[in-house]
Amino acid sequence: NAGVMQNPRHLVRRRGQEARLRCSPMKGHSHVYWYRQLPEEGLKFMVYLQKENIIDESGMPKERFSAEFPKEGPSILRIQQVVRGDSAAYFCASSPLTASSNTEAFFGQGTRLTVV
Amino acid sequence: AQSVTQLGSHVSVSEGALVLLRCNYSSSVPPYLFWYVQYPNQGLQLLLKYTTGATLVKGINGFEAEFKKSETSFHLTKPSAHMSDAAEYFCAVSVGPGGGADGLTFGKGTHLIIQP
Repeated sequence: NAGVMQNPRHLVRRRGQEARLRCSPMKGHSHVYWYRQLPEEGLKFMVYLQKENIIDESGMPKERFSAEFPKEGPSILRIQQVVRGDSAAYFCASSPLTASSNTEAFFGQGTRLTVV
Repeated sequence: AQSVTQLGSHVSVSEGALVLLRCNYSSSVPPYLFWYVQYPNQGLQLLLKYTTGATLVKGINGFEAEFKKSETSFHLTKPSAHMSDAAEYFCAVSVGPGGGADGLTFGKGTHLIIQP
């Protein structure tokens, strides 16, 4: 069972370009979470999605950021018109449909975005 | 709303010495508590978690943590440090065992340095 897969691992974008980050959850997981880790900071929650639904986007910046988790395919975090302050590591996590005391969120290895 | 405070952004111990990483939390509901480890350029790996039941939780790599409700603490310990323990450690809290509707709230992390 493959873990949470994120690609690309590293992404370099010029200011003003778009960044697309992809996350394939673990098999059987239908809950996806995106987190951002700024330098010298802990991870900050951005958005929680289930298939075709955004459940909680309270951590998403109001502008330029969007996320989706379509019925088929990976979850996508899209950042439009990137700025230098968007440079960070973006982590995706997934968890199973059924929440119980034995479930946990599994993290991918992250995408490190550098805006130049 | 939840928050996590990790005391000490950097902790240095000698190889073979006791490791103690401090974590205090605040939560308006009974919390689920987690410790994650992050090795350089890697994703987060779950060390251990407290959901319900026994307040002393044992995790991987010889780590353990004790949930103390009266002190709102969840400190991480290991009796004898190994060089391979050098990494970033994150304490996190959630309203749900798998991350919950708004995911995990992380502390800023503690960088553990092991002196030979």
